[in-house]
Amino acid sequence: QVQLVQSGPEVKRPGASVTLSCKASGYIFTTYAIHWLRQAPGQRLEWMGWINTGNGDTKYSQKFQGKVTISRDMYANTAYLELTSLTSEDTAVYYCTRGGDRFAYWGQGALVTVSS
Amino acid sequence: DIVMTQSPETLVVSLGERATISCRSSQNLLSSSNEKNYLAWYQKKPGQPPKLLFYWASTRESGVPDRFRGSGSGTDFTLTISSLQAEDVAIYYCQQYYSSPQTFGQGTKVEI
Repeated sequence: QVQLVQSGPEVKRPGASVTLSCKASGYIFTTYAIHWLRQAPGQRLEWMGWINTGNGDTKYSQKFQGKVTISRDMYANTAYLELTSLTSEDTAVYYCTRGGDRFAYWGQGALVTVSS
Repeated sequence: DIVMTQSPETLVVSLGERATISCRSSQNLLSSSNEKNYLAWYQKKPGQPPKLLFYWASTRESGVPDRFRGSGSGTDFTLTISSLQAEDVAIYYCQQYYSSPQTFGQGTKVEI
């Protein structure tokens, strides 16, 4: 069965960076994109960007350009989300989800807390 | 960006009664090329990722009970739960994937 397993929660200081992972199983990794989204406390879901897991092409929401980098390791069936220059506004649960014609499969989410 | 607006923000419904959630988009989500509405609905419970209920506005995802119904076209969409069950208590979100960035509504909290 399709599974996306994300790395664990992180606590970071303002100004730091963090890299989250999303390991896929149950399907051929390179045949579906991976998207990253986040949900800050009390806020709506926000789409951050996606990666073509086959060729590595990425597209980001303009809001997150320069803030995030999405990458993948085809051999490890894993996608990554790097966030830099963290602020308290980046405190959120971050989700990966498999692309295609719908977001049917999601990781369990990873809480990133930014606090001094 | 396309703005998605849901109403109401909170919906209190008795068990067995109907729940109706509205979602309005600031732009048309119906593609003229394939006649599909690029609109999805999700159910979200605390501590869990969103669960896809509908895509293409009205295509039910596998395993979703048939008391849930997605409808609408263009800019106005509706999620209906015909007979609310206790396990349906959640926040419901609509999402447009017609244009990038994909955007979500602010959510509708369904309570009993």
